[in-house]
Amino acid sequence: GAVVSQHPSRVICKSGTSVKIECRSLDFQATTMFWYRQFPKQSLMLMATSNEGSKATYEQGVEKDKFLINHASLTLSTLTVTSAHPEDSSFYICSAPQETQYFGPGTRLLVL
Amino acid sequence: GEDVEQSLFLSVREGDSSVINCTYTDSSSTYLYWYKQEPGAGLQLLTYIFSNMDMKQDQRLTVLLNKKDKHLSLRIADTQTGDSAIYFCAETQSTGTASKLTFGTGTRLQVTL
Repeated sequence: GAVVSQHPSRVICKSGTSVKIECRSLDFQATTMFWYRQFPKQSLMLMATSNEGSKATYEQGVEKDKFLINHASLTLSTLTVTSAHPEDSSFYICSAPQETQYFGPGTRLLVL
Repeated sequence: GEDVEQSLFLSVREGDSSVINCTYTDSSSTYLYWYKQEPGAGLQLLTYIFSNMDMKQDQRLTVLLNKKDKHLSLRIADTQTGDSAIYFCAETQSTGTASKLTFGTGTRLQVTL
């Protein structure tokens, strides 16, 4: 099946700093990618839809200035958590469609 | 909005069959999925079913869909310890693959010896 990678897999940062997470489709092009957030022992919540060549579409309640999304190319979308705070600590997962939805391995963010 | 519910926990003995259930509220769901998540990992697609199908079987996995009752189930035959994980059902209302998924609450499957 198709492969989606994420980088980094794990990041620890200080409160107030910004963190960038990359999502790449390795063997296919994706004009759309999705970013999800998962709290411990909870389900995945869609944060936003990343669109190549246009602005991302954010779900209700997600701060677009807090979570910046850039779909730089047909194989890369980035999520930047700006001025991170401890409550932003979570597991972030991206997905890209290719016949069906393929998910990246996730990025665990810990903000101290 | 869409609502997808699952029971939180299921424990089965190795070799037995596991049945994980999922209910959804939106009758316009077109694709329904089952994903597996192991600790600290991303999601692995197990199988999916179109809304116009009643059943789909793939090796040890059997998916049953009751569209009238909006009920989806995943049966794992001959459950192994490696099947221990969290299982999520998900649905989408679009006919295209480039559409967002709504996930269930997840069912933690524990396989005991």
